[in-house]
Amino acid sequence: AQTVTQSQPEMSVQEAETVTLSCTYDTSENNYYLFWYKQPPSRQMILVIRQEAYKQQNATENRFSVNFQKAAKSFSLKISDSQLGDTAMYFCAFMKFGAGSSGDKLTFGTGTRLAVRP
Amino acid sequence: GAGVSQSPSNKVTEKGKDVELRCDPISGHTALYWYRQSLGQGLEFLIYFQGNSAPDKSGLPSDRFSAERTGGSVSTLTIQRTQQEDSAVYLCASSLVGLWEQFFGPGTRLTVL
Repeated sequence: AQTVTQSQPEMSVQEAETVTLSCTYDTSENNYYLFWYKQPPSRQMILVIRQEAYKQQNATENRFSVNFQKAAKSFSLKISDSQLGDTAMYFCAFMKFGAGSSGDKLTFGTGTRLAVRP
Repeated sequence: GAGVSQSPSNKVTEKGKDVELRCDPISGHTALYWYRQSLGQGLEFLIYFQGNSAPDKSGLPSDRFSAERTGGSVSTLTIQRTQQEDSAVYLCASSLVGLWEQFFGPGTRLTVL
């Protein structure tokens, strides 16, 4: 079974600054995806960024980038030029690749609540 | 196109009552997932549907929980004899089988008094 750990329950950052959210995971699988999801107060889960485990290059999406350390099983999210709209709960998640009949269920961490201060 | 929808948005019930939560996935999405988001516990997987069958029910916490899917579309999650610990946000997601991206609904917040 996989586990995902987010050790920062809450974080705060000044608008326009950079913040890094931490995530570690444990798995015996070799092929998997890692995700960061954003959940604003509306409760709608929004995919922020995805990383395939077989790719060495870190994924980037505009102001969002990850630091993927496969050997260390670490997957942190960096948000640059933080904006007020980034205020949300952020979840790190794991998905086994090619799970077959078990589907592609996600295993989530407990989340980090990020507040962006004006 | 329309996204995943869930109803009701909020549900308050008394302990011991049965509740039904509904999920309408994106049209054509054959895979459907239910997750539960409890305070301080993140999101946990409940059940996975492929079409109308549920090959993975491993996350259902007790036999008071059941789910069905009809016509390869709408799914209902039923909780019988609700308990206070069932209070949570129940999220539904759908995807095309074999593709990684899951699209989430807005969830149903269930409060058991």
